Amino acid sequence: AQSVTQLDSQVPVFEEAPVELRCNYSSSVSVYLFWYVQYPNQGLQLLLKYLSGSTLVKGINGFEAEFNKSQTSFHLRKPSVHISDTAEYFCAVSDPGGYNKLIFGAGTRLAVHP
Amino acid sequence: KAGVTQTPRYLIKTRGQQVTLSCSPISGHRSVSWYQQTPGQGLQFLFEYFSETQRNKGNFPGRFSGRQFSNSRSEMNVSTLELGDSALYLCASSLLGTGHKQYFGPGTRLTVT
Repeated sequence: AQSVTQLDSQVPVFEEAPVELRCNYSSSVSVYLFWYVQYPNQGLQLLLKYLSGSTLVKGINGFEAEFNKSQTSFHLRKPSVHISDTAEYFCAVSDPGGYNKLIFGAGTRLAVHP
Repeated sequence: KAGVTQTPRYLIKTRGQQVTLSCSPISGHRSVSWYQQTPGQGLQFLFEYFSETQRNKGNFPGRFSGRQFSNSRSEMNVSTLELGDSALYLCASSLLGTGHKQYFGPGTRLTVT
């Protein structure tokens, strides 16, 4: 069975500082990997996804993530955060043969302080 | 293009009642998935419909059911509500199958008293 672990439940950071949100997954098969962001009282928005190919994936709002198969990780990074990046971030996996079923991690709350 | 819409946005029900939630996908999208979000269990997959057929189901009791209509709109129904069913129910639509970008609606906040 697939599972996702987000290693930090909360990450406080100052504005314009870099940030890394960590995600590890477990799966016996190849997976698709995703990062979603959820702003208060809203649904989820896709930041980026890895299906295959280059292990460095660039997404929206200046975010990027690197797929590391040997470490089964898919960490999300941003070189300089803004106050508006304050939100909940979810890492998710899906089985390429499992249609659109997403298995989510517990989420990481990113709090950007001025 | 209009996004995914969910109605109602907020709902209060009493334990033992049943409830129906509606999701209208983005025009042209044939896949609709439903998720339950709670503080304790996080985001959990309920089921996915594609062209009116359920093609994937999560680990929820039979009280949770859904359907999809020919225009791709989807409904989910929860019968005999329990306090633990209080949650944000999110639906997501996608153009096709696996790996395609899923667009999430704002959710329906269900409170069971």
